[in-house]
Amino acid sequence: LAKTTQPISMDSYEGQEVNITCSHNNIATNDYITWYQQFPSQGPRFIIQGYKTKVTNEVASLFIPADRKSSTLSLPRVSLSDTAVYYCLVAPLRSNDYKLSFGAGTTVTVRA
Amino acid sequence: NAGVTQTPKFRVLKTGQSMTLLCAQDMNHEYMYWYRQDPGMGLRLIHYSVGEGTTAKGEVPDGYNVSRLKKQNFLLGLESAAPSQTSVYFCASSSPRSGVVQETQYFGPGTRLLVL
Repeated sequence: LAKTTQPISMDSYEGQEVNITCSHNNIATNDYITWYQQFPSQGPRFIIQGYKTKVTNEVASLFIPADRKSSTLSLPRVSLSDTAVYYCLVAPLRSNDYKLSFGAGTTVTVRA
Repeated sequence: NAGVTQTPKFRVLKTGQSMTLLCAQDMNHEYMYWYRQDPGMGLRLIHYSVGEGTTAKGEVPDGYNVSRLKKQNFLLGLESAAPSQTSVYFCASSSPRSGVVQETQYFGPGTRLLVL
């Protein structure tokens, strides 16, 4: 599995855009990038997944440069309820190895 | 549709005691997983199952056993609890297309276990 590096924590204010960058220098050709969100006292939930360029859904956008050695999760106009831990995962979509690695994630704190 | 549920929500054990954590899902998912989460360490996979009657070891399987007798249930057992097993345990399930490991995983609310 590709090793990922994310900031431990980030602070923001309501209404701002939050960008979390994940580094994955040894990403393999068949690896996809997935982000999960975990609220306090809850299990993680899937946010977004992509392979290259840009992916957008109702929750976030995911930007992946051409070299795919990093990716950026963008949360537009955050609110207090976006305070959570965000995990970046890199793994192939198809594999006989089911060991996903969640790492420590990035704790995002949104203040009023 | 309850999704993934876990029983119990919280438990205190003494060292050496045994217990079973129950995970149930009503989404007819094939794959189920048990993770533990410790402060600052993210989630670590304990055991997983790719179908009824099958189980496999994850990243940190020592001290735990699992069973998947029914498709909807995945049990995690601690035969002799140790303080190092104090953690929050999460169960997850997914319904991957053939060989797709990164299909969305749906998590339960977690079980907090304290071993004294």
